Amino acid sequence: RKEVEQDPGPFNVPEGATVAFNCTYSNSASQSFFWYRQDCRKEPKLLMSVYSSGNEDGRFTAQLNRASQYISLLIRDSKLSDSATYLCVVNAANGIFGTGTRLKVLA
Amino acid sequence: DTEVTQTPKHLVMGMTNKKSLKCEQHMGHRAMYWYKQKAKKPPELMFVYSYEKLSINESVPSRFSPECPNSSLLNLHLHALQPEDSALYLCASSQGSGMYFGAGTRLSVL
Repeated sequence: RKEVEQDPGPFNVPEGATVAFNCTYSNSASQSFFWYRQDCRKEPKLLMSVYSSGNEDGRFTAQLNRASQYISLLIRDSKLSDSATYLCVVNAANGIFGTGTRLKVLA
Repeated sequence: DTEVTQTPKHLVMGMTNKKSLKCEQHMGHRAMYWYKQKAKKPPELMFVYSYEKLSINESVPSRFSPECPNSSLLNLHLHALQPEDSALYLCASSQGSGMYFGAGTRLSVL
C-alpha cells in the first residue's frame, strides 16, 4: 500500500456542483496534513491546512478522520477556475504527496 | 511575502556537464526541500534540510548533490546526469504550516 493515496480521477463536474476528494494515509504517526492545488506546468500552491477540528475557507472545507486515516476536501459551487490537480500532503517527518486528483469543471 | 525563488527557470545539459540549481527564500523558514516531478506524476521528495543540516535523503543517486550554504539558500549540484533525470525540480521551504514552492527549474538532459 502506498503511503498516501488519492483517486486520480479525472472528476468532470458542471459549474456550480459540489465535489469531494479523499486522501488516505498509512502512517498513523502523521502529524500534519495539507491540501495543495497544482495547475498544469506550474508549482503546487498551498490551498489549506487540515486541522483535527476541520476547517473552512470560503467554498473549501477540509476535514481529518484520524480513526480511518484519511483527509477530505469539499469544494462547493465549483468554478471553471477550480479546474486543477488537487494533491494532499501528509507530513510525519517529511512531505509526502498523494498521487493527486484531477478536477475539470465544465461550463 | 511567501516567495521562494528558483534559478534558472530552464536548463538544458549534456550527460557530461556539471550544473547547479539554486533556491532562495527570505521567510525565515528553517526547513527546505528538493522535489523532482515528472509529467502527470506528483512531486517526489529528494532531500530535506532542517536548520541547514541534511535530515532526509530519499535514496537519491549521488549524481545529485545538495548543499545548504545558509538558512536562506539551497543548491542542488548536478553531475553526469542521465536522460531519465529530465524533470521539473521544485524547491520548497516550510516552518511547519505547509510548504511554499518555487516555480521550479525545468531540466532537460540530452
